[in-house]
Amino acid sequence: DTEVTQTPKHLVMGMTNKKSLKCEQHMGHRAMYWYKQKAKKPPELMFVYSYEKLSINESVPSRFSPECPNSSLLNLHLHALQPEDSALYLCASSPIQGSETQYFGPGTRLLVL
Amino acid sequence: EDKVVQSPLSLVVHEGDTVTLNCSYEVTNFRSLLWYKQEKKAPTFLFMLTSSGIEKKSGRLSSILDKKELFSILNITATQTGDSAVYLCAVNRGSTLGRLYFGRGTQLTVWP
Repeated sequence: DTEVTQTPKHLVMGMTNKKSLKCEQHMGHRAMYWYKQKAKKPPELMFVYSYEKLSINESVPSRFSPECPNSSLLNLHLHALQPEDSALYLCASSPIQGSETQYFGPGTRLLVL
Repeated sequence: EDKVVQSPLSLVVHEGDTVTLNCSYEVTNFRSLLWYKQEKKAPTFLFMLTSSGIEKKSGRLSSILDKKELFSILNITATQTGDSAVYLCAVNRGSTLGRLYFGRGTQLTVWP
């Protein structure tokens, strides 16, 4: 199984809502990543988890809250988002943090109204 | 400041043509360069290059790295409409574990 899955595929939320994005991998990878990608731009790193501990936070606003409940799961909790947060949110994993090949999930396309 | 620059930004060709996509980089502590293909959603991994002059090949796609001149090329021969996608180049620095530095991508459109 060389797949990273993400749910939901699409999400529309209001600025007062609370929602969560979910990412799962069963490749035994110990590093997981959240990226944000705006239209026609490359992915931008948000967070890195290594062995279920937060390793890198790229100065992301606190309205984005990551969580790694176990080695296979990565969540991104969303609260009080702004319309400019609308983007494609990509999850990726790699065997260990720093191993070059990161495998991406299909992404969640988020629209904040 | 670290930079990864891809060219061209967009390219339109007809089926059967051969294309060459470019990626140049200026980063400290270079470790590897990766190519990804992104269609509607997730980037899918194509190649990882760490050594100069060694061509990586997969079907009609091939890639090579020049660490002296700090660039890589991705070649696609006998293009097909299914090759239409954004091709992303990313560089991994040894000192920033897990942080990939992406270029803006090349949008390739293959017409039948």
